[in-house]
Amino acid sequence: DQQVKQNSPSLSVQEGRISILNCDYTNSMFDYFLWYKKYPAEGPTFLISISSIKDKNEDGRFTVFLNKSAKHLSLHIVPSQPGDSAVYFCAASRQGGSEKLVFGKGTKLTVNP
Amino acid sequence: GAVVSQHPSRVICKSGTSVKIECRSLDFQATTMFWYRQFPKQSLMLMATSNEGSKATYEQGVEKDKFLINHASLTLSTLTVTSAHPEDSSFYICSARVGGGWGETQYFGPGTRLLVL
Repeated sequence: DQQVKQNSPSLSVQEGRISILNCDYTNSMFDYFLWYKKYPAEGPTFLISISSIKDKNEDGRFTVFLNKSAKHLSLHIVPSQPGDSAVYFCAASRQGGSEKLVFGKGTKLTVNP
Repeated sequence: GAVVSQHPSRVICKSGTSVKIECRSLDFQATTMFWYRQFPKQSLMLMATSNEGSKATYEQGVEKDKFLINHASLTLSTLTVTSAHPEDSSFYICSARVGGGWGETQYFGPGTRLLVL
């Protein structure tokens, strides 16, 4: 039972354009969501998080949007840069992150120069 | 801040031997550390959660006698893969969290690639 789904295994965008990565979840008890970036053979790097009391959180070029009714969140990267090319994982947790993280399978983003 | 290290980064061992992987939080005290495993092109799968000074909590399907976890201090947790077999070959990643309150983020180590021959 996959509680966190990233249905697009890959995404390719042009440098300077917007990258939109999507994530859906099924467990309505999740109340804390995170995005991580991962390069091959490295551990994930925390990017941005959002709690269920918000619908948007912004940090520099990264913005996460949360639609609780649709159980959907998205990560927007604007403008996209070649260095953003990596696998992006969406993760969800209960109790504000104090419970374990449940990860999606990831989306491989390629930003072309 | 929030740096987590792992050692070794890569290890090759013979089938039947045991391998120990260390996870350290370098600039903060981690009350909780987590161990994950990632297969190629798959997501991170949580293996166990360890709190300093107490026994680890293992996820369903993870053999606790095979994957021994010790969280001896607030900055160090170890994972020992006992009697390793080729199917244990994988990428093992640890993470650490400062506290258990709202909004606490997990910070990940760089991972350890284990290859069992």
